[in-house]
Amino acid sequence: DSGVTQTPKHLITATGQRVTLRCSPRSGDLSVYWYQQSLDQGLQFLIQYYNGEERAKGNILERFSAQQFPDLHSELNLSSLELGDSALYFCASSQGGLSSSPLHFGNGTRLTVT
Amino acid sequence: AQSVTQLGSHVSVSEGALVLLRCNYSSSVPPYLFWYVQYPNQGLQLLLKYTSAATLVKGINGFEAEFKKSETSFHLTKPSAHMSDAAEYFCAVSRNSGGYQKVTFGTGTKLQVIP
Repeated sequence: DSGVTQTPKHLITATGQRVTLRCSPRSGDLSVYWYQQSLDQGLQFLIQYYNGEERAKGNILERFSAQQFPDLHSELNLSSLELGDSALYFCASSQGGLSSSPLHFGNGTRLTVT
Repeated sequence: AQSVTQLGSHVSVSEGALVLLRCNYSSSVPPYLFWYVQYPNQGLQLLLKYTSAATLVKGINGFEAEFKKSETSFHLTKPSAHMSDAAEYFCAVSRNSGGYQKVTFGTGTKLQVIP
């Protein structure tokens, strides 16, 4: 058990809809990372937060947004969903300040857009 | 800037054979290096990490990796493959950037173990 909790585990929705994915980081971790994993694109970094502030952006679409709340949990919002957004979405956390800190991954949310 | 290159998106070995998964990195500063494993329908799990204490790092499940600065490599090895080692393996590099941790993952190598 990594200590990182992601909900829901599975999500099935229609094109054009909006969904919210939730992540609770491991106790004591200040950094939260979001990744998208699909068969054709592999593991893609989306965005990173540290103690509530956005620190780095990767290949995140404008239709996607995220935030980290004061209690350090994070949400990833996906809107105007397209078929191509179907993927596994992972959240990971780390202490954040130390480069030697490993990332701890949740088990992911599997999003299916129909 | 930092980057990670994993040579071979797919590697097949026979059960009992040596496993060698290659990782080369580039970093403008001394890096911290990690190997992660992902089993089907699961998140990534830490296998081992290099933090400059020793160049040969031992991890879980019999895996180890050797940091070679001159070759900018951090290859993952296991003397004898087991069927349960079939998974996808990711190499990652981490460094401090503006006071926070910046992590870059390789594209992953899928290991197939043939009975």
